[in-house]
Amino acid sequence: EDQVTQSPEALRLQEGESSSLNCSYTVSGLRGLFWYRQDPGKGPEFLFTLYSAGEEKEKERLKATLTKKESFLHITAPKPEDSATYLCAVQRGTSYGKLTFGQGTILTVHP
Amino acid sequence: GAVVSQHPSRVICKSGTSVKIECRSLDFQATTMFWYRQFPKQSLMLMATSNEGSKATYEQGVEKDKFLINHASLTLSTLTVTSAHPEDSSFYICSVIRDRNTGELFFGEGSRLTVL
Repeated sequence: EDQVTQSPEALRLQEGESSSLNCSYTVSGLRGLFWYRQDPGKGPEFLFTLYSAGEEKEKERLKATLTKKESFLHITAPKPEDSATYLCAVQRGTSYGKLTFGQGTILTVHP
Repeated sequence: GAVVSQHPSRVICKSGTSVKIECRSLDFQATTMFWYRQFPKQSLMLMATSNEGSKATYEQGVEKDKFLINHASLTLSTLTVTSAHPEDSSFYICSVIRDRNTGELFFGEGSRLTVL
């Protein structure tokens, strides 16, 4: 069965203090690994999709990387508006539209 | 801009009543939509796949007679929670794939159901 484990569960940073979130996964036939941002009471907002080990993608202060066993979401010089829950999810090659999500990392950035 | 719209965003109902949640794709036709559920402090879990013009496909452990899904048009899917009970209280979120090549799933804003 597919499994996604995210760490840490919660992360508190000072504004400007860079850090990384981890997503470890086990999936048979990875089709894609997804990162989402979720604000309280809202649906997940798409950030990145990574398809193969070694791939990297960037968007503003965020950079996602992928290996065969895990993915990292690097946050450079975060701002308070980056505070949110960050979700990682995997999709199998045969499971169209079905994502297995991790529990998420709650990120709080203090000014 | 938003890809998917859900309504209502919040609903409170009495135990035993039924509640309908609508999901609309805004700028394209979606033959398939996906319904997820998120309990407090838990992961999102896929409940069912909604197929336009045919029966929905339910995930293991999800009661199809309790969670009725209707995908009557290419832009609208509805989820009806029948005879709701307090344990059905959850955050229900629909999603669509806009580009089958990438498989990227876009989610609606979600609907918070509270059953008293």
